[in-house]
Amino acid sequence: DIQMTQSPSSLFASLGDRVAITCRASQSIDSDLSWYQQKPGKAPKLLIYLASRLHSGVSSRFSGSGSGTGFSLTISSLLPEDFATYYCQQSYSSPWTFGQGTKVEIK
Amino acid sequence: EVQLVESGGGLVQPGGSLRLSCAASGFTFSSFALHWVRQAPRKGLEFVSGIDTDGYSPLYADSVKGRFTISRDNSRNTLYLQMGSLKTEDMAVYYCARIYYGVGSYDVWGRGTTVTVSS
Repeated sequence: DIQMTQSPSSLFASLGDRVAITCRASQSIDSDLSWYQQKPGKAPKLLIYLASRLHSGVSSRFSGSGSGTGFSLTISSLLPEDFATYYCQQSYSSPWTFGQGTKVEIK
Repeated sequence: EVQLVESGGGLVQPGGSLRLSCAASGFTFSSFALHWVRQAPRKGLEFVSGIDTDGYSPLYADSVKGRFTISRDNSRNTLYLQMGSLKTEDMAVYYCARIYYGVGSYDVWGRGTTVTVSS
């Protein structure tokens, strides 16, 4: 199975901050990488697919980049609704696997 | 409105069985592959099982292979997960999720149904 490793596991940030989360795959996954946001008690929400494509209806504050084994999710200017846990997920090979999550908390 | 609604979760003893359902609405159910994804308490997301549009070639995580069976009824717009020989480590919120066509992402999720395995 392909292992996905996110860093950091958690971070503290302030409103308006620019935040970057990284995700590393244990082998090349081309651009078959998605990012999700999850708030407590809620289902995950798709933000980014194919590494850098913004899903319909998602704020342009979110952007994704990378290919191969290294990827990142950037939030350009944190708003209150952005405090959540973020997951990366690969769909290059079965079984699809997720990173362990990055919790973005208020400083 | 595009929607997935899970049901069937509950409390079951170790070794017991449970059948989860996921009712779809607002889209052409038979045109989309679907997966079950679970989340144990205070843990991350884990693929459980997947099925293509016709119900052939199901996929399973190694942790549930031989114990869980995925199926779908396109006439009823419903996805199922038959869970057997349940273990405490199967305790989680189970989500059904739609595969974003040709992309490999989950673009629609249900709210989840909770499975508790305890004696």
